[in-house]
Amino acid sequence: ILNVEQSPQSLHVQEGDSTNFTCSFPSSNFYALHWYRWETAKSPEALFVMTLNGDEKKKGRISATLNTKEGYSYLYIKGSQPEDSATYLCAFPNRDDKIIFGKGTRLHILP
Amino acid sequence: DVKVTQSSRYLVKRTGEKVFLECVQDMDHENMFWYRQDPGLGLRLIYFSYDVKMKEKGDIPEGYSVSREKKERFSLILESASTNQTSMYLCASSPSRTIYGYTFGSGTRLTVV
Repeated sequence: ILNVEQSPQSLHVQEGDSTNFTCSFPSSNFYALHWYRWETAKSPEALFVMTLNGDEKKKGRISATLNTKEGYSYLYIKGSQPEDSATYLCAFPNRDDKIIFGKGTRLHILP
Repeated sequence: DVKVTQSSRYLVKRTGEKVFLECVQDMDHENMFWYRQDPGLGLRLIYFSYDVKMKEKGDIPEGYSVSREKKERFSLILESASTNQTSMYLCASSPSRTIYGYTFGSGTRLTVV
């Protein structure tokens, strides 16, 4: 099983501040890198699927970058709001086309 | 609005019972998945299916089986429920296993007593 590592495990951010966190994955046999947001009492929601080295995707105040050569992706949140409080998961398909999820970064926005 | 529907939000079963968790999607997706989520362990793949009547073991298939008789329905079966199967179970579907995002159901929290 390939490892997908996310850091930090947990993060507290003041409302209005910007933040970012990391997903590390094996750089060989790259197909795609997924980001999901999982709010409490809801189901995980796909944010981005990234496939190209150097890719940058944006959805409102959230953006993500991808470096497939060194095996990392960053998720950025600009001007954090209370509704951004959630667990952010990244996921990576392995050689058998099974998606491996990281354990997530739990983001808490402080009022 | 596209949906993945799991039949029960909360379920309590006794040790040794046979348990069925049902999942239905209305997006005509080929691929369907069952995950369990436990604190500190993240989402772990139990089984997946890439076509009707096809199934593949995930990373933790022991104690589980699946059924996919129709494209839209993927059932997870606990043959003889045990307390270590107490968990949150999530179903997902996708048109692809890799390059499209997954659509998840709202989850079934199963407690085995």
